[in-house]
Amino acid sequence: GAVVSQHPSWVICKSGTSVKIECRSLDFQATTMFWYRQFPKQSLMLMATSNEGSKATYEQGVEKDKFLINHASLTLSTLTVTSAHPEDSSFYICSASDRYSGNTIYFGEGSWLTVV
Amino acid sequence: AQSVTQLGSHVSVSEGALVLLRCNYSSSVPPYLFWYVQYPNQGLQLLLKYTSAATLVKGINGFEAEFKKSETSFHLTKPSAHMSDAAEYFCAVSDPGGDDKIIFGKGTRLHILP
Repeated sequence: GAVVSQHPSWVICKSGTSVKIECRSLDFQATTMFWYRQFPKQSLMLMATSNEGSKATYEQGVEKDKFLINHASLTLSTLTVTSAHPEDSSFYICSASDRYSGNTIYFGEGSWLTVV
Repeated sequence: AQSVTQLGSHVSVSEGALVLLRCNYSSSVPPYLFWYVQYPNQGLQLLLKYTSAATLVKGINGFEAEFKKSETSFHLTKPSAHMSDAAEYFCAVSDPGGDDKIIFGKGTRLHILP
C-alpha cells in the first residue's frame, strides 16, 4: 500500500539552530501534503497545506517565516523550523493526498523534535 | 469551518465491555469523517472512514462507526474491549470538495480495565 515516510524520526537540536524535516510519498504522487504538530497528550493541529510548485497555505497563528515549507516535487515536502526554541519541541506529522486513489490521505510516522 | 467535538477526554471500560467513543461534527457540507488511533509514541493509524456511502462503517480491529446526519454524530463502537485497544482515538473531518485538509478533534484516551 501507499506509504508516507518522514525523516528524521527523531532529532535533537540546539536552541537557535534550524532543523529540516522531510516528508516523502514513496509510491504515489502527492500534489498536496499537510503538516501537523502535536504537543504531548494533545491533538494534532494543522499547521499548513503544502502544494507542489506553489507557496504553502498556513493556518491562522502559524508563523510562516519560522516554519518554512517547500514542496519542490510531487513526492517531497520539507518543513524547516528556523531559529528553533524549546517551545518548538513537538511531534510533527505530515500527510499526503493521493489523488489517483480517491483522494486517500496517508500519514507519515511522525518526527519528534526536541530543542535543547 | 468544519470541526469535530469529542466528548470525554478519557474513557475507561472493562475488558470485554462495550466501547463507545463519542464524536459530533460541524460542517456546512456533507463531510467525510474519520477515526484514527494513536498508540504511545507512534504515528496515526486509520481505523475507518465515512465517505457518503453506507452510514454504518466497519473498520479494523472490530471497530465500527455510524454516521447519523440527524444527530451530526459519528460515534465509534466496539462490542468487546481488549487490553490492546488502550490508546488515543481521534475523530476527524474533511470537506470532500475541498483541499483534502483533515481537521482533528481533541482526542479521547481509552483505558481498558482488567
